[in-house]
Amino acid sequence: EAQVTQNPRYLITVTGKKLTVTCSQNMNHEYMSWYRQDPGLGLRQIYYSMNVEVTDKGDVPEGYKVSRKEKRNFPLILESPSPNQTSLYFCASSFREGTEAFFGQGTRLTVV
Amino acid sequence: GQQLNQSPQSMFIQEGEDVSMNCTSSSIFNTWLWYKQEPGEGPVLLIALYKAGELTSNGRLTAQFGITRKDSFLNISASIPSDVGIYFCAGRTSGTYKYIFGTGTRLKVLA
Repeated sequence: EAQVTQNPRYLITVTGKKLTVTCSQNMNHEYMSWYRQDPGLGLRQIYYSMNVEVTDKGDVPEGYKVSRKEKRNFPLILESPSPNQTSLYFCASSFREGTEAFFGQGTRLTVV
Repeated sequence: GQQLNQSPQSMFIQEGEDVSMNCTSSSIFNTWLWYKQEPGEGPVLLIALYKAGELTSNGRLTAQFGITRKDSFLNISASIPSDVGIYFCAGRTSGTYKYIFGTGTRLKVLA
């Protein structure tokens, strides 16, 4: 089954404690991206990757890092999380940029 | 970042009623997508539109790419309880490959 898998689904952490949210897709898609979803603001893109070792900033990249060492994986790293990063995070993949995206099930992160 | 104007923000309707929602942009778009998000899940693609004036159906859902290329409409006919969720539009401008998302329309269906 074609899917985008994120882990964990839920995470509560403390300010400053480094964390990683994993994302994996099994569709051999080149393009992957991370979004955060906040009430009233819709989906905002954090980072995206056009292919292995090619990443770039989206609209709200501050406080986040990503890496793309393999085609199927695109982890999101928060080196020093802060409460304003409490949000619902989605990973998405598509065949190439500008085509329809398939979304993961989301990771609800709470930073206290 | 840029956002689309999506309306209405929320709707409460009776089962069996038809539903209409729309998105407008100040920019000309060359692609429109419509997604549905259910509680606890990621957005799922419903309909993709690629040409001005295009009308595409997916079951009880029909979406249209506006003639001006600055708007799109989604209609749901004969709503049922499982239509509950948040509906998002997303658009892409010519010359770019990044999608901009609307803020969503929250739909509730009363049985």
